[in-house]
Amino acid sequence: AQKITQTQPGMFVQEKEAVTLDCTYDTSDPSYGLFWYKQPSSGEMIFLIYQGSYDQQNATEGRYSLNFQKARKSANLVISASQLGDSAMYFCAMRGFTSNTGKLIFGQGTTLQVKP
Amino acid sequence: ETGVTQTPRHLVMGMTNKKSLKCEQHLGHNAMYWYKQSAKKPLELMFVYSLEERVENNSVPSRFSPECPNSSHLFLHLHTLQPEDSALYLCASSQDRTGVYEQYFGPGTRLTVT
Repeated sequence: AQKITQTQPGMFVQEKEAVTLDCTYDTSDPSYGLFWYKQPSSGEMIFLIYQGSYDQQNATEGRYSLNFQKARKSANLVISASQLGDSAMYFCAMRGFTSNTGKLIFGQGTTLQVKP
Repeated sequence: ETGVTQTPRHLVMGMTNKKSLKCEQHLGHNAMYWYKQSAKKPLELMFVYSLEERVENNSVPSRFSPECPNSSHLFLHLHTLQPEDSALYLCASSQDRTGVYEQYFGPGTRLTVT
């Protein structure tokens, strides 16, 4: 079975500082992808960053980077230079590639609040 | 224009009503998905369509009936719902259901069953 765990229900960060959102996963699939999404209060899920299980380097997208530690089965999201607009719910998700259904498994989410 | 649109954005319905949720994607994708997001629970996948064919039904009750008439449109027909079905229903699409393609989500329909 596949599972995503986000242990931080809520986080605070000061504007312009960096913050790390934790994500651990469990899967028996040898090939998988890890995704982070942002959900503002408006409701839509916004794709942020992707890491493949066989990628040699950690993914980066602008102010977002993914700290991928395969042996520890963790895929933490790092947001640098936080902005007020980063306040939102953040979801870690995983998809195993063996089943080919496209099914994403999501964690419970972490609410991030950026303080001015 | 956003890539994935959903209508209505908000819906209140009684348990005996029949309503439909609509999703449209303008991204040329081949796969579409319905998710349910309840308070304090992770997103739950409901259905997956690939090239208009349903490829996954994630043990969803029959009071939810999906329809995918073409690769750009996805519907979720609702009838005789229960109060516990109140949730945010999110539609998503991806270029393909295989591979590493990310899913793009719509803004969701906030459903309240009274």
